[in-house]
Amino acid sequence: NAGVTQTPKFQVLKTGQSMTLQCAQDMNHNSMYWYRQDPGMGLRLIYYSASEGTTDKGEVPNGYNVSRLNKREFSLRLESAAPSQTSVYFCASSHNTAGDGTQYFGPGTRLLVL
Amino acid sequence: AQRVTQPEKLLSVFKGAPVELKCNYSYSGSPELFWYVQYSRQRLQLLLRHISRESIKGFTADLNKGETSFHLKKPFAQEEDSAMYYCAPRLPSGNTPLVFGKGTRLSVIA
Repeated sequence: NAGVTQTPKFQVLKTGQSMTLQCAQDMNHNSMYWYRQDPGMGLRLIYYSASEGTTDKGEVPNGYNVSRLNKREFSLRLESAAPSQTSVYFCASSHNTAGDGTQYFGPGTRLLVL
Repeated sequence: AQRVTQPEKLLSVFKGAPVELKCNYSYSGSPELFWYVQYSRQRLQLLLRHISRESIKGFTADLNKGETSFHLKKPFAQEEDSAMYYCAPRLPSGNTPLVFGKGTRLSVIA
């Protein structure tokens, strides 16, 4: 099993460009998450999907949209990238949000917005 | 409002010395608490959860409800313990995502 996979691994964007970060999991998990990791700020939740067909805002949702395409896939879209969105983005999944607290993380996508 | 605090951004200790990474939370009730770790060039992963009362890689963490703390401890640090550590409470309702602290980078010096 690959676990949680993310594409791309690295991306450079110009301000105003759009892009979609892809995430997939093969563990049959119900819940999926998108975080951003910034120095000194830790991991902050952007959006999550408790189950297929539902999405909810996290701590820092502004400037992002998400789509839970199916049970396996959860994408994060930046419609108009800004330099403040330069970060490392992590996708994660878990059996449920109310489970044992084990979240499985992807390898991350490093995004640079110029 | 800050719900979880990890006061040290960086903690450096010598190999063989005891280590304590601090975590304080400000939830009412009884949150569930977890420690996650990210080693260099590896994915973030669960280290331990308080409900299991387990010791993983020599680390333990005791929930102190009076002090609202969940400090991570190890009696003798090893070089391979160098990593980023995140404390992560979950709200008492249980059916919500984890909230991660800002993290503490542990550096074990040989």
